[in-house]
Amino acid sequence: GAGVSQSPSNKVTEKGKDVELRCDPISGHTALYWYRQSLGQGLEFLIYFQGNSAPDKSGLPSDRFSAERTGGSVSTLTIQRTQQEDSAVYLCASSDPAGGSTDTQYFGPGTRLTVL
Amino acid sequence: AQKITQTQPGMFVQEKEAVTLDCTYDTSDQSYGLFWYKQPSSGEMIFLIYQGSYDEQNATEGRYSLNFQKARKSANLVISASQLGDSAMYFCAMREEYNTDKLIFGTGTRLQVFP
Repeated sequence: GAGVSQSPSNKVTEKGKDVELRCDPISGHTALYWYRQSLGQGLEFLIYFQGNSAPDKSGLPSDRFSAERTGGSVSTLTIQRTQQEDSAVYLCASSDPAGGSTDTQYFGPGTRLTVL
Repeated sequence: AQKITQTQPGMFVQEKEAVTLDCTYDTSDQSYGLFWYKQPSSGEMIFLIYQGSYDEQNATEGRYSLNFQKARKSANLVISASQLGDSAMYFCAMREEYNTDKLIFGTGTRLQVFP
């Protein structure tokens, strides 16, 4: 079946502009995660959605970052008033916690954000 | 606090040889899961292998195996019979079962396979 998809694949924006990044998880996966990967670094957790529970926003770096998940499926990560340090690859992952003990997260291809 | 350490920024291996990528972790939880992901230059994160903290056997998936030493808190990835297509970044990650399900990642090891 289809994997996790993300759009756009690349986004170049000017400092101070708002951007929206989209994630479409694997069908049936109730858990959705956003991570950020800065150049040459590992992945940094941003936010986690699980079903109808309140999201875990503990990784969001500032109040300029927000995310929502509509209808338990597609998620949008919004960055307001972008700064140059927001430049990174934003990765989305989904998992099926009820699917077995591993609860493996499957990642999308990422969105490369460049803030000029 | 939970932490993943990958001490090898880069590794080289000749095609058809085996290679071990190191990973140590720190957690106070008894129940946790350990993952390895591969990230080729194209950027996607590809799941390779999983080891649960209560699993008595080392995990294996094809040419990948996980050398799990719980007392040492290490979870090294072993790739047998390396192929040129194995050249990529490799990330070790941990999930604590009684915390949020987020993954904590190491900084990665860049593996280069040469002919």
